[in-house]
Amino acid sequence: AQTVTQSQPEMSVQEAETVTLSCTYDTSESDYYLFWYKQPPSRQMILVIRQEAYKQQNATENRFSVNFQKAAKSFSLKISDSQLGDAAMYFCAYRTPFNDMRFGAGTRLTVKP
Amino acid sequence: DVKVTQSSRYLVKRTGEKVFLECVQDMDHENMFWYRQDPGLGLRLIYFSYDVKMKEKGDIPEGYSVSREKKERFSLILESASTNQTSMYLCASSSPGTGRNQPQHFGDGTRLSIL
Repeated sequence: AQTVTQSQPEMSVQEAETVTLSCTYDTSESDYYLFWYKQPPSRQMILVIRQEAYKQQNATENRFSVNFQKAAKSFSLKISDSQLGDAAMYFCAYRTPFNDMRFGAGTRLTVKP
Repeated sequence: DVKVTQSSRYLVKRTGEKVFLECVQDMDHENMFWYRQDPGLGLRLIYFSYDVKMKEKGDIPEGYSVSREKKERFSLILESASTNQTSMYLCASSSPGTGRNQPQHFGDGTRLSIL
């Protein structure tokens, strides 16, 4: 069974600094998709970034980028120039062959002004 | 933009009641999902559906059932609510299986308390 592990329950970062959130996963598949979702307090969960396992190039979306290490089954999220609006729960997710998703336990990110 | 609407943001029910949580999406998505979210456990899949009248069990289906009579609507049913079902419930939808890079789109969630 696929599992997703986020080892950092909480992280904090100073505004304008960079922070990296960790995620590891376990799968026997060779082709799969990985996602990072953001859930602001009392607000809807939204997609931050996605990565296809067959692509070696790391995905980037503005200030958000990933470090995808397929052999190590690692998928970390880097947030550059952190902003107050980045404060949220962040969930790493793996999409299974059956199109449902497996989520990690989440990392609560605090941004300090 | 995809809109996933859950019927209630907050709901309080009593032990033993039959509880219905409703979810509607407006993007003609085939796939719909129900999760519960608990601190430290992330999101856990309860049930999902690939098409009308189809349903598949997720990781924690016990005590729940679902109904999908129309493509846009996916209902979660707590047959006899218990206090350990107090949680945040999230509904999601996504495009069909060929687009595995397609994300799931989530509703705002229903915070359910069972007294």
